[in-house]
Amino acid sequence: GAVVSQHPSRVICKSGTSVKIECRSLDFQATTMFWYRQFPKQSLMLMATSNEGSKATYEQGVEKDKFLINHASLTLSTLTVTSAHPEDSSFYICSARDLGGDYNEQFFGPGTRLTVL
Amino acid sequence: GQNIDQPTEMTATEGAIVQINCTYQTSGFNGLFWYQQHAGEAPTFLSYNVLDGLEEKGRFSSFLSRSKGYSYLLLKELQMKDSASYLCAVSDSNYQLIWGAGTKLIIKP
Repeated sequence: GAVVSQHPSRVICKSGTSVKIECRSLDFQATTMFWYRQFPKQSLMLMATSNEGSKATYEQGVEKDKFLINHASLTLSTLTVTSAHPEDSSFYICSARDLGGDYNEQFFGPGTRLTVL
Repeated sequence: GQNIDQPTEMTATEGAIVQINCTYQTSGFNGLFWYQQHAGEAPTFLSYNVLDGLEEKGRFSSFLSRSKGYSYLLLKELQMKDSASYLCAVSDSNYQLIWGAGTKLIIKP
């Protein structure tokens, strides 16, 4: 299947700092990428849909000024958590949809575990 | 509203068979996915159903009934490594995935 990478895999930062997470589709072009957040023992929560060359579409309740998304190319989307606070500590996962794939499924990156002290 | 229901947790014995059910109510339907997620890791794709019937892939099979809004994932010859959460997700009319909360499967020796 298609490969999606995510960097960094783990980050610990101080409260008030900003953290950037990169998501790359390695062997296919992704016009659409998705950013999820997952708290312990809970399901995936879609935060936003990232569209190449246009503004991201945010889900209700997700602050677009706090979670900045940039989809600058067909293989790269970034999520920046600005002025992070302890309640932002979570597992952030990106996915990309391979429209050329057999099932139009989403392929997931390995995730980034963010801990805000 | 849109809703995906699946059991929170199931327990099964190594070598046995287990069926994980998923019922859904969504605005539109463009297929149903099953993903496996081990603790601390991202989900990995298992199966996709868009037509009624059973899709078999090795030890895993997935069934869909669109009229009943129902699917199940069948795991045979269970192995300890199958201990994970299994996520049911439906692609709605906008091709957006609606996720269930996941079923935590515990395999006992």
